[in-house]
Amino acid sequence: QKEVEQNSGPLSVPEGAIASLNCTYSDRGSQSFFWYRQYSGKSPELIMSIYSNGDKEDGRFTAQLNKASQYVSLLIRDSQPSDSATYLCALSGNQFYFGTGTSLTVIP
Amino acid sequence: EPEVTQTPSHQVTQMGQEVILRCVPISNHLYFYWYRQILGQKVEFLVSFYNNEISEKSEIFDDQFSVERPDGSNFTLKIRSTKLEDSAMYFCASSEMSSGTQYFGPGTRLLVL
Repeated sequence: QKEVEQNSGPLSVPEGAIASLNCTYSDRGSQSFFWYRQYSGKSPELIMSIYSNGDKEDGRFTAQLNKASQYVSLLIRDSQPSDSATYLCALSGNQFYFGTGTSLTVIP
Repeated sequence: EPEVTQTPSHQVTQMGQEVILRCVPISNHLYFYWYRQILGQKVEFLVSFYNNEISEKSEIFDDQFSVERPDGSNFTLKIRSTKLEDSAMYFCASSEMSSGTQYFGPGTRLLVL
């Protein structure tokens, strides 16, 4: 059973649209959740962390956590071509688990 | 802004050779990690390190791997006898707290021939 599951995509959205990325996880004891962005050939960079149920907003990004349903999502508003990257969902348990990532392309 | 640094950026080695990958974590961080990412695949956890000892390791981290903090700033990953399948990008990361945000270095691309 995979600890973290993401739809690998690719997901394509037009510039200015909302991109919605989803992630489910198996360990109910997980407490810390993270979204990272990874450009091709580069290291993951943190977008947001979320620890409690509900929404957390930071600029154009909103993370949503639902521990009862074991999912965490990321919404990107007003998507820009520079948002085109792979988005990694991660959670912290005994180890730090990454999903396989969702490839997002924002079409100008 | 503090950042994690890694050297070298690229390493080419022959199968069976030993390699040492180096990392300098963010200075006030206490928890250190190594990950690898095979081309086109997901980021995989290798090992976490705290208080001069391994706190967690994955199945990938077998006897050919070792980690060390030889001084107050460096954190190293040694692969004793490299195999072709060790070819990957290796990322170092550090965090202030055990379940806190991890900040990644730029990676070392290892190619085993």
